Amino acid sequence: DVKVTQSSRYLVKRTGEKVFLECVQDMDHENMFWYRQDPGLGLRLIYFSYDVKMKEKGDIPEGYSVSREKKERFSLILESASTNQTSMYLCASSLRAPPEAFFGQGTRLTVV
Amino acid sequence: AQSVTQLDSQVPVFEEAPVELRCNYSSSVSVYLFWYVQYPNQGLQLLLKYLSGSTLVKGINGFEAEFNKSQTSFHLRKPSVHISDTAEYFCAVSVSGGYNKLIFGAGTRLAVHP
Repeated sequence: DVKVTQSSRYLVKRTGEKVFLECVQDMDHENMFWYRQDPGLGLRLIYFSYDVKMKEKGDIPEGYSVSREKKERFSLILESASTNQTSMYLCASSLRAPPEAFFGQGTRLTVV
Repeated sequence: AQSVTQLDSQVPVFEEAPVELRCNYSSSVSVYLFWYVQYPNQGLQLLLKYLSGSTLVKGINGFEAEFNKSQTSFHLRKPSVHISDTAEYFCAVSVSGGYNKLIFGAGTRLAVHP
């Protein structure tokens, strides 16, 4: 079974802190994704990586950056956390084709 | 740019009744289409997928969906729902070719009542 593991289920951070969310997949998938899930808004794509060190902005990249130094690991970085970044963050991975995505359990981030 | 519209944010239904959750997408090229389900406090799980071939796709838990290219729709159906089907359902689209970025709709909350 494909496994996508996010480093934390719950995280509480202070405004202005630099926050790292880590995601690891074990199936040698080319694609990795970070989404943000908010009630009524569904899953919104923050960043997408299609290969090591390759990334593409999604719909809401402002305030976020990403890093993919190894194929299995995709990190989401909040440069200076703000309260409007309080949300559920979901990581996913997929083959390039077909792009059936497998999801981690999510990290619920609260910024206070 | 591709986008996905789920036409109903909430769908209440009685147990054993049929249900249809609607999904429309915007893309002028070939697409891959997916439905995912999220049970409370859990991650997303794939229900079914359309990659090519037959337009009627069957998935897990008795769900099926029909790809309609002319109407750019991919509606999800189940002939008889159970209480355990209460969950949030997400439609997703990826344009075939290229790097296959996956875009999701806003979700439909299905509430099955006894």
